[in-house]
Amino acid sequence: GDSVTQTEGQVALSEEDFLTIHCNYSASGYPALFWYVQYPGEGPQFLFRASRDKEKGSSRGFEATYDKGTTSFHLRKASVQESDSAVYYCALGASSGSWQLIFGSGTQLTVMP
Amino acid sequence: GALVYQYPRRTICKSGTSMRMECQAVGFQATSVAWYRQSPQKTFELIALSTVNSAIKYEQNFTQEKFPISHPNLSFSSMTVLNAYLEDRGLYLCGAREGGRYEQYFGPGTRLTVL
Repeated sequence: GDSVTQTEGQVALSEEDFLTIHCNYSASGYPALFWYVQYPGEGPQFLFRASRDKEKGSSRGFEATYDKGTTSFHLRKASVQESDSAVYYCALGASSGSWQLIFGSGTQLTVMP
Repeated sequence: GALVYQYPRRTICKSGTSMRMECQAVGFQATSVAWYRQSPQKTFELIALSTVNSAIKYEQNFTQEKFPISHPNLSFSSMTVLNAYLEDRGLYLCGAREGGRYEQYFGPGTRLTVL
C-alpha cells in the first residue's frame, strides 16, 4: 500500500541554520504530495502541495520539489527561526482513488535562539 | 481564508458513555470531510471519509455503530464516539476539503479523555 517515510524523528537547529527534512514516498502513479505543520495544541496546518514531477511547492520560506525519480519531497528552508519550532508532516494523497491523506511519522523541529 | 473549527476542544467522559464532536468549515465549501484520530505518539488513523450526498466510508477497525457521522451540508459535520473506552482516547481531527481540490484543511481537534 501507499506509504510515506520521514527519516528524521527530531531535528534541533539554531536560528538562521539551513533546514532539510527528508520525505520519501511509495505509491503508484503521481500522487499529490503535501507538507503540513502542527503546533502544540493545534491541528495540522496546510503548508503547500505539489502534484506533478519537478513541481515546486512553497510557503512561508519553506519549499519542496516533487521528484518522481527518487520518490522524494524533501522540505527545505534556508534560514529557520525560533517560531518555526513545530512538528512537520509529509503526506500523500492516496493513489487508490480515495482522497484520504497518508501521513508520515512526523519530524519534531526545535529551533534554539 | 479557509478555516475549520471544532467543538469542543477538550472533553472528558466516563468509560461507557458517549460524546459528540462537531466540525464547521468557514470560507469554503466542505464537500468532503475526513475524520482522523491522532494518537499520543502523533500518528494519524483515518476513521472515515464523508462526502455530502454520498455514503460515508469507514476504515477497517472503525464502524458506523461505534463512530456515527453526520455530514448534512457543505459547512458542517459531526461525529459521536459511542460507549467510549480507554482505547478511544486521543485527538480527533476533522479535515475538510472542497470538491476538486487536493488539500485538506484541519480544525484544532477535539481531545477526548476517558476516565
